[in-house]
Amino acid sequence: AQTVTQSQPEMSVQEAETVTLSCTYDTSESNYYLFWYKQPPSRQMILVIRQEAYKQQNATENRFSVNFQKAAKSFSLKISDSQLGDTAMYFCAFMVQTGANNLFFGTGTRLTVIP
Amino acid sequence: GAVVSQHPSRVICKSGTSVKIECRSLDFQATTMFWYRQFPKQSLMLMATSNEGSKATYEQGVEKDKFLINHASLTLSTLTVTSAHPEDSSFYICSALPLPGGTQETQYFGPGTRLLVL
Repeated sequence: AQTVTQSQPEMSVQEAETVTLSCTYDTSESNYYLFWYKQPPSRQMILVIRQEAYKQQNATENRFSVNFQKAAKSFSLKISDSQLGDTAMYFCAFMVQTGANNLFFGTGTRLTVIP
Repeated sequence: GAVVSQHPSRVICKSGTSVKIECRSLDFQATTMFWYRQFPKQSLMLMATSNEGSKATYEQGVEKDKFLINHASLTLSTLTVTSAHPEDSSFYICSALPLPGGTQETQYFGPGTRLLVL
């Protein structure tokens, strides 16, 4: 069974500062994908960043980057130069590469960017 | 690219009536679509996986006769909540998985449908 754990229910960060959201997961699979999705107040789920487990290089997307530690089963999200529009719920998610393509979600971290 | 729409965005209905929610992938084809339910301040709960041309696969505890899913084409899946009751009030979200050859193994989400059953 796959589980995803986000241990920080809520976080806040000052505008323009950097914040890191934690995510750990548990699986016996060796090939999988990891995702961070953002859900702003509009409730639209938006893909932030994606990481293939077979890639050692950490994924980056502009101000968003991940620290993927496969051995530790850790997948944290770093947001640099935080903006007010980054205020949202952030969900970490896991998908087995070969299978039903189901996403397993963590419980989410509510991030507030303070002006 | 990779836009998914849902209709309606919100619906209010009387107890005992049925409600149909549509999920469309606008600029890609999807053999697989997913239906989620989200309670306030909680994570997404997978209800069922919908595959084009075949029966949906329901998660444990989800009543297939209550939540009817039809995936009639590569761009459309529908969720019908039959004989809706107040406890079915929730936020329903669909997602679509593009065909292999595109951005694989990434689900793209619709904007959600808020259902309120009176």
